Amino acid sequence: ELKVEQNPLFLSMQEGKNYTIYCNYSTTSDRLYWYRQDPGKSLESLFVLLSNGAVKQEGRLMASLDTKARLSTLHITAAVHDLSATYFCAVDMTGAQKLVFGQGTRLTINP
Amino acid sequence: NAGVTQTPKFRILKIGQSMTLQCTQDMNHNYMYWYRQDPGMGLKLIYYSVGAGITDKGEVPNGYNVSRSTTEDFPLRLELAAPSQTSVYFCASSKMTGDWEKLFFGSGTQLSVL
Repeated sequence: ELKVEQNPLFLSMQEGKNYTIYCNYSTTSDRLYWYRQDPGKSLESLFVLLSNGAVKQEGRLMASLDTKARLSTLHITAAVHDLSATYFCAVDMTGAQKLVFGQGTRLTINP
Repeated sequence: NAGVTQTPKFRILKIGQSMTLQCTQDMNHNYMYWYRQDPGMGLKLIYYSVGAGITDKGEVPNGYNVSRSTTEDFPLRLELAAPSQTSVYFCASSKMTGDWEKLFFGSGTQLSVL
Protein backbone atom coordinates (compact mmCIF):
# COMPACT_ATOMS: atom_id res chain seq x y z
CA GLU A 1 0.00 0.00 0.00
CA LEU A 2 1.36 3.37 -1.02
CA LYS A 3 1.88 5.80 1.83
CA VAL A 4 2.72 9.46 1.40
CA GLU A 5 4.08 11.43 4.34
CA GLN A 6 4.74 15.15 4.56
CA ASN A 7 7.03 16.90 6.98
CA PRO A 8 6.40 19.19 8.74
CA LEU A 9 2.62 19.19 9.15
CA PHE A 10 2.59 22.72 10.52
CA LEU A 11 5.03 25.48 9.71
CA SER A 12 5.02 29.05 10.94
CA MET A 13 7.63 31.31 9.49
CA GLN A 14 8.49 34.94 9.01
CA GLU A 15 8.39 36.84 5.79
CA GLY A 16 11.70 36.86 3.98
CA LYS A 17 12.87 33.47 5.27
CA ASN A 18 13.53 30.31 3.28
CA TYR A 19 12.12 26.91 4.13
CA THR A 20 11.52 23.44 2.68
CA ILE A 21 8.58 21.05 2.87
CA TYR A 22 9.41 17.36 2.45
CA CYS A 23 7.28 14.64 0.87
CA ASN A 24 8.30 11.00 1.28
CA TYR A 25 6.49 8.10 -0.36
CA SER A 26 6.76 4.39 0.21
CA THR A 27 6.77 2.72 -3.22
CA THR A 28 8.34 3.45 -6.57
CA SER A 29 6.71 6.18 -8.61
CA ASP A 30 7.90 8.80 -11.05
CA ARG A 31 4.82 10.98 -11.00
CA LEU A 32 4.38 13.45 -8.20
CA TYR A 33 2.11 16.47 -7.85
CA TRP A 34 2.05 19.50 -5.58
CA TYR A 35 -1.18 21.35 -4.77
CA ARG A 36 -2.09 24.43 -2.81
CA GLN A 37 -5.33 24.80 -0.82
CA ASP A 38 -6.52 28.04 0.77
CA PRO A 39 -8.93 27.73 3.74
CA GLY A 40 -12.38 26.66 2.62
CA LYS A 41 -11.30 26.52 -1.00
CA SER A 42 -10.55 23.91 -3.62
CA LEU A 43 -7.15 22.64 -4.67
CA GLU A 44 -4.95 24.51 -7.10
CA SER A 45 -2.31 22.63 -9.07
CA LEU A 46 1.21 23.96 -8.55
CA PHE A 47 3.61 21.45 -10.10
CA VAL A 48 3.65 18.10 -11.88
CA LEU A 49 6.99 16.27 -11.60
CA LEU A 50 7.37 13.40 -14.03
CA SER A 51 10.91 12.08 -13.83
CA ASN A 52 13.88 11.62 -11.56
CA GLY A 53 15.74 14.88 -11.09
CA ALA A 54 12.82 16.99 -12.31
CA VAL A 55 12.88 20.54 -11.00
CA LYS A 56 10.16 23.11 -11.56
CA GLN A 57 9.96 26.69 -10.37
CA GLU A 58 7.20 29.25 -10.23
CA GLY A 59 7.88 32.52 -8.47
CA ARG A 60 9.11 31.85 -4.94
CA LEU A 61 8.27 28.14 -5.08
CA MET A 62 10.54 25.41 -6.42
CA ALA A 63 9.76 21.70 -6.44
CA SER A 64 12.11 18.80 -7.07
CA LEU A 65 11.84 15.02 -7.31
CA ASP A 66 14.32 12.29 -6.40
CA THR A 67 12.68 9.00 -7.35
CA LYS A 68 15.55 6.90 -6.00
CA ALA A 69 15.15 8.42 -2.55
CA ARG A 70 11.34 8.52 -2.98
CA LEU A 71 11.46 12.15 -1.93
CA SER A 72 10.11 15.41 -3.25
CA THR A 73 10.77 18.84 -1.81
CA LEU A 74 8.92 22.12 -2.09
CA HIS A 75 11.27 25.01 -1.37
CA ILE A 76 10.02 28.46 -0.48
CA THR A 77 12.35 31.37 -1.09
CA ALA A 78 11.95 34.72 0.69
CA ALA A 79 8.45 33.88 1.88
CA VAL A 80 5.64 36.41 1.61
CA HIS A 81 2.29 36.43 3.43
CA ASP A 82 0.37 35.50 0.26
CA LEU A 83 1.99 32.06 0.31
CA SER A 84 0.14 31.15 3.52
CA ALA A 85 -1.92 28.05 2.67
CA THR A 86 -1.94 24.28 3.05
CA TYR A 87 0.33 22.45 0.62
CA PHE A 88 -0.27 18.86 -0.43
CA CYS A 89 1.92 16.45 -2.31
CA ALA A 90 0.29 13.53 -4.11
CA VAL A 91 1.74 10.47 -5.79
CA ASP A 92 0.37 8.47 -8.71
CA MET A 93 1.68 4.93 -9.09
CA THR A 94 -1.04 3.53 -11.30
CA GLY A 95 -0.82 5.65 -14.39
CA ALA A 96 -4.45 6.73 -14.17
CA GLN A 97 -3.84 9.72 -11.91
CA LYS A 98 -5.35 7.85 -8.98
CA LEU A 99 -3.55 10.07 -6.54
CA VAL A 100 -2.59 9.24 -2.97
CA PHE A 101 -2.26 12.46 -0.99
CA GLY A 102 -0.06 13.38 1.91
CA GLN A 103 -1.60 14.85 5.06
CA GLY A 104 -0.80 18.38 4.01
CA THR A 105 1.52 21.05 5.44
CA ARG A 106 -0.23 24.08 6.88
CA LEU A 107 2.05 27.02 6.21
CA THR A 108 1.58 30.33 8.01
CA ILE A 109 3.78 33.26 7.05
CA ASN A 110 3.85 36.10 9.53
CA PRO A 111 4.73 39.70 8.61
CA ASN B 1 -15.37 28.35 -19.48
CA ALA B 2 -16.85 27.01 -16.24
CA GLY B 3 -14.40 24.10 -15.65
CA VAL B 4 -15.59 21.60 -13.03
CA THR B 5 -18.92 22.49 -11.40
CA GLN B 6 -20.22 20.80 -8.26
CA THR B 7 -23.65 21.12 -6.67
CA PRO B 8 -24.75 21.60 -3.97
CA LYS B 9 -22.06 23.52 -2.08
CA PHE B 10 -23.46 22.61 1.34
CA ARG B 11 -25.84 19.92 2.55
CA ILE B 12 -27.00 18.52 5.87
CA LEU B 13 -28.40 14.99 5.87
CA LYS B 14 -30.01 12.87 8.53
CA ILE B 15 -28.67 9.38 9.16
CA GLY B 16 -30.14 6.96 6.62
CA GLN B 17 -31.09 9.58 4.04
CA SER B 18 -29.88 9.44 0.47
CA MET B 19 -28.56 12.09 -1.87
CA THR B 20 -26.66 12.63 -5.09
CA LEU B 21 -23.73 15.00 -5.43
CA GLN B 22 -23.60 16.41 -8.92
CA CYS B 23 -20.43 17.04 -10.93
CA THR B 24 -20.16 18.31 -14.47
CA GLN B 25 -17.21 19.48 -16.55
CA ASP B 26 -17.15 21.34 -19.83
CA MET B 27 -13.55 20.67 -20.85
CA ASN B 28 -14.21 17.38 -22.67
CA HIS B 29 -12.00 15.55 -20.17
CA ASN B 30 -12.13 11.78 -20.31
CA TYR B 31 -10.97 11.11 -16.73
CA MET B 32 -13.09 12.11 -13.75
CA TYR B 33 -12.65 11.50 -10.02
CA TRP B 34 -14.41 11.82 -6.68
CA TYR B 35 -12.33 12.53 -3.59
CA ARG B 36 -13.28 13.16 0.02
CA GLN B 37 -11.35 15.31 2.46
CA ASP B 38 -11.81 14.85 6.19
CA PRO B 39 -10.87 17.75 8.48
CA GLY B 40 -7.13 18.36 8.61
CA MET B 41 -6.38 15.51 6.24
CA GLY B 42 -5.41 14.89 2.66
CA LEU B 43 -7.81 13.74 0.00
CA LYS B 44 -8.84 10.11 -0.45
CA LEU B 45 -10.08 8.70 -3.75
CA ILE B 46 -13.63 7.31 -3.68
CA TYR B 47 -14.32 6.40 -7.33
CA TYR B 48 -12.95 7.31 -10.72
CA SER B 49 -13.92 7.00 -14.36
CA VAL B 50 -11.78 6.81 -17.49
CA GLY B 51 -14.66 7.51 -19.86
CA ALA B 52 -18.39 7.26 -20.36
CA GLY B 53 -19.70 3.91 -19.16
CA ILE B 54 -16.50 2.98 -17.29
CA THR B 55 -16.07 3.41 -13.53
CA ASP B 56 -13.86 1.83 -10.90
CA LYS B 57 -13.32 1.91 -7.15
CA GLY B 58 -10.74 4.00 -5.43
CA GLU B 59 -9.36 3.81 -1.93
CA VAL B 60 -12.61 4.37 0.06
CA PRO B 61 -15.64 3.32 -2.07
CA ASN B 62 -17.86 1.78 0.63
CA GLY B 63 -21.19 3.55 1.03
CA TYR B 64 -21.01 5.27 -2.36
CA ASN B 65 -22.02 4.60 -5.95
CA VAL B 66 -21.25 6.37 -9.21
CA SER B 67 -22.32 6.35 -12.82
CA ARG B 68 -20.89 7.92 -15.98
CA SER B 69 -23.48 8.05 -18.75
CA THR B 70 -21.93 11.05 -20.50
CA THR B 71 -18.45 12.54 -20.80
CA GLU B 72 -19.57 15.66 -18.95
CA ASP B 73 -21.32 14.26 -15.86
CA PHE B 74 -20.11 12.09 -12.98
CA PRO B 75 -22.63 12.03 -10.09
CA LEU B 76 -21.82 10.47 -6.71
CA ARG B 77 -24.64 8.72 -4.86
CA LEU B 78 -24.87 8.19 -1.09
CA GLU B 79 -27.56 5.60 -0.40
CA LEU B 80 -27.74 5.39 3.41
CA ALA B 81 -25.93 8.34 4.89
CA ALA B 82 -23.82 7.71 7.99
CA PRO B 83 -21.97 10.16 10.27
CA SER B 84 -18.67 8.76 8.96
CA GLN B 85 -19.53 10.28 5.59
CA THR B 86 -19.37 13.81 6.99
CA SER B 87 -16.66 15.33 4.85
CA VAL B 88 -15.88 17.73 2.01
CA TYR B 89 -16.28 16.08 -1.37
CA PHE B 90 -14.28 17.18 -4.41
CA CYS B 91 -14.85 16.23 -7.99
CA ALA B 92 -11.94 16.48 -10.41
CA SER B 93 -11.24 15.89 -14.08
CA SER B 94 -8.25 15.40 -16.35
CA LYS B 95 -7.64 15.10 -20.08
CA MET B 96 -4.98 12.34 -20.10
CA THR B 97 -3.91 12.62 -23.70
CA GLY B 98 -0.77 10.57 -23.17
CA ASP B 99 1.17 13.21 -21.30
CA TRP B 100 0.48 13.51 -17.61
CA GLU B 101 -1.69 16.52 -17.03
CA LYS B 102 -2.88 18.25 -13.92
CA LEU B 103 -6.22 17.58 -12.33
CA PHE B 104 -8.82 20.34 -12.33
CA PHE B 105 -10.84 20.37 -9.11
CA GLY B 106 -14.33 21.62 -8.44
CA SER B 107 -15.08 23.95 -5.53
CA GLY B 108 -16.29 21.14 -3.26
CA THR B 109 -19.45 20.04 -1.45
CA GLN B 110 -19.47 20.23 2.33
CA LEU B 111 -21.66 17.42 3.66
CA SER B 112 -22.73 16.91 7.27
CA VAL B 113 -24.58 13.77 8.37
CA LEU B 114 -26.33 14.17 11.71
